[in-house]
Amino acid sequence: DAKTTQPNSMESNEEEPVHLPCNHSTISGTDYIHWYRQLPSQGPEYVIHGLTSNVNNRMASLAIAEDRKSSTLILHRATLRDAAVYYCILRLHGSGNTGKLIFGQGTTLQVKP
Amino acid sequence: DAGVTQSPTHLIKTRGQQVTLRCSPKSGHDTVSWYQQALGQGPQFIFQYYEEEERQRGNFPDRFSGHQFPNYSSELNVNALLLGDSALYLCASSLRGHYSYEQYFGPGTRLTVT
Repeated sequence: DAKTTQPNSMESNEEEPVHLPCNHSTISGTDYIHWYRQLPSQGPEYVIHGLTSNVNNRMASLAIAEDRKSSTLILHRATLRDAAVYYCILRLHGSGNTGKLIFGQGTTLQVKP
Repeated sequence: DAGVTQSPTHLIKTRGQQVTLRCSPKSGHDTVSWYQQALGQGPQFIFQYYEEEERQRGNFPDRFSGHQFPNYSSELNVNALLLGDSALYLCASSLRGHYSYEQYFGPGTRLTVT
């Protein structure tokens, strides 16, 4: 399984943008880049995913490098409720691996008021 | 529409005992995956069930077993509990065939082994 590398922790001020980086230099052509976050005392929740192009949804944006060896999750205006552990995960595309998510340590995001 | 539900919320067991945890997937989902999350760590994949069979398995001993029922709900059984089995056990559901789509996680069952 391809590996991802994320900073252990980051801090942000409320209502400012946050850029959470992820390195995945061994990514294969069929790996999707997924981001999940885990709020305190909750199960992980899906944030966003992408393959090659940048993606936007109501929660965040995902910027993917042209060589796909890195990506950045962008929270446009951080709120206190965005304080969580953010996981960058590579998910194989194929019939043999539809469910398995390999979580790393993730990045703990602190949001200061 | 109910999301993924898990029971019980918390559980305390003694070393050597056996435990059963339960999960009901999100409506419309047919695949259930189980994860173990130790304190301060990311979740680790235990196994996945689809069509009432174990389809994928992570690096967990045979003491960990599971079952999926015709209504897609699932159980996780752990035999001969060890202190190291203390963790948050998470269930996630998804719809098979949507390889790139998200998984929905339940709130977890906190298991404490004393």
